[in-house]
Amino acid sequence: DQQVKQNSPSLSVQEGRISILNCDYTNSMFDYFLWYKKYPAEGPTFLISISSIKDKNEDGRFTVFLNKSAKHLSLHIVPSQPGDSAVYFCAAENNRDDKIIFGKGTRLHILP
Amino acid sequence: NAGVMQNPRHLVRRRGQEARLRCSPMKGHSHVYWYRQLPEEGLKFMVYLQKENIIDESGMPKERFSAEFPKEGPSILRIQQVVRGDSAAYFCASSPPAGTNEKLFFGSGTQLSVL
Repeated sequence: DQQVKQNSPSLSVQEGRISILNCDYTNSMFDYFLWYKKYPAEGPTFLISISSIKDKNEDGRFTVFLNKSAKHLSLHIVPSQPGDSAVYFCAAENNRDDKIIFGKGTRLHILP
Repeated sequence: NAGVMQNPRHLVRRRGQEARLRCSPMKGHSHVYWYRQLPEEGLKFMVYLQKENIIDESGMPKERFSAEFPKEGPSILRIQQVVRGDSAAYFCASSPPAGTNEKLFFGSGTQLSVL
């Protein structure tokens, strides 16, 4: 049973445009959400996070939006750059058990 | 760079052999997580350990897999009698004390190939 779902396995976006990666979750006990970025043959690296008490968090070109009622979050990257091509994992944490659950990832291709 | 260190990077085993994967957390981190990534799959939680203590092993297969994090030395993920289906990338992550945003720092992973 997948508690964190990334329904788009891949996404292609023109360089300079906005990339929007989506994530849905089913467990209402999740109270902290994270995005990780992964290049081939490397471990995931932290990108940005958001607490459930907020609906938006921004860090440079990256913004995460959280819609608790819809159990949906999204990562916006603008403007998209070639170095953004990677796999992006959405993750969620339930503070009661400190376990972080990951989605299957979305492969982002930034086209020149 | 005192990041999370995993070794080996690549491990090849024949069916029936044992695989030992090592993970040294970042300095000052006392919690270790192991995740497995199968081809075309996401990161699947396996186990969460503190020093000398397994906190949550709900993601570990019931047989052949074990993990430890001794008082001294790295955390070890041990797979006995490996089968082809164990071929995957195994990632270790460590977490700092509570109160940081980043939560998990990952190593570069061990790619296990079972022949």
